[in-house]
Amino acid sequence: GAVVSQHPSRVICKSGTSVKIECRSLDFQATTMFWYRQFPKKSLMLMATSNEGSKATYEQGVEKDKFLINHASLTLSTLTVTSAHPEDSSFYICSARGGKSTNYGYTFGSGTRLTVV
Amino acid sequence: AQSVTQLDSQVPVFEEAPVELRCNYSSSVSVYLFWYVQYPNQGLQLLLKYLSGSTLVESINGFEAEFNKSQTSFHLRKPSVHISDTAEYFCAVSGGAAGNKLTFGGGTRVLVKP
Repeated sequence: GAVVSQHPSRVICKSGTSVKIECRSLDFQATTMFWYRQFPKKSLMLMATSNEGSKATYEQGVEKDKFLINHASLTLSTLTVTSAHPEDSSFYICSARGGKSTNYGYTFGSGTRLTVV
Repeated sequence: AQSVTQLDSQVPVFEEAPVELRCNYSSSVSVYLFWYVQYPNQGLQLLLKYLSGSTLVESINGFEAEFNKSQTSFHLRKPSVHISDTAEYFCAVSGGAAGNKLTFGGGTRVLVKP
């Protein structure tokens, strides 16, 4: 079945540094990738949608300069949290949507727990 | 705008008892409907989905959901739960005004007690 690999699963960084999170579709080509943020005991909040080779579309209220998204290939998207601060600490989840071969389904990564100290 | 409402934020249930998780959505056009399960510190796993055809969809682990267009609902049920079903469950929709984005409900935490 469709598999999405997300790394790292857990990262601790110092305030002011940048952190990159990778999301790879292992056995299918992802026409679209999505990045979500999840607060404790809350639902998923869509941050941005990215299509391969084009700029990401950010949801209202999400700072595009802080959360840089790159979707350089049909199997890889990255989210970089720049100049991270403690309030950026959260659980980040990516999702990839495939084409006909995956029945246009959405497959989620296992998430990245970011802690900024 | 599209929205999804999960009426119950938490559902405690005894092992081997039935459970129903309610999900209602708002959309003026046809949508696709999904149920996902999330275990602690993990991503989401697809339980089942409705795209078209039969309104009753089933998963391999005993869950089923019924699409009811007139009531704009997609409730999830399982006749007999196990301890391992303890998790967070999310209802989601795509299509309509939101295009290929998934809109999630607030989630329902199922706690199965022995």
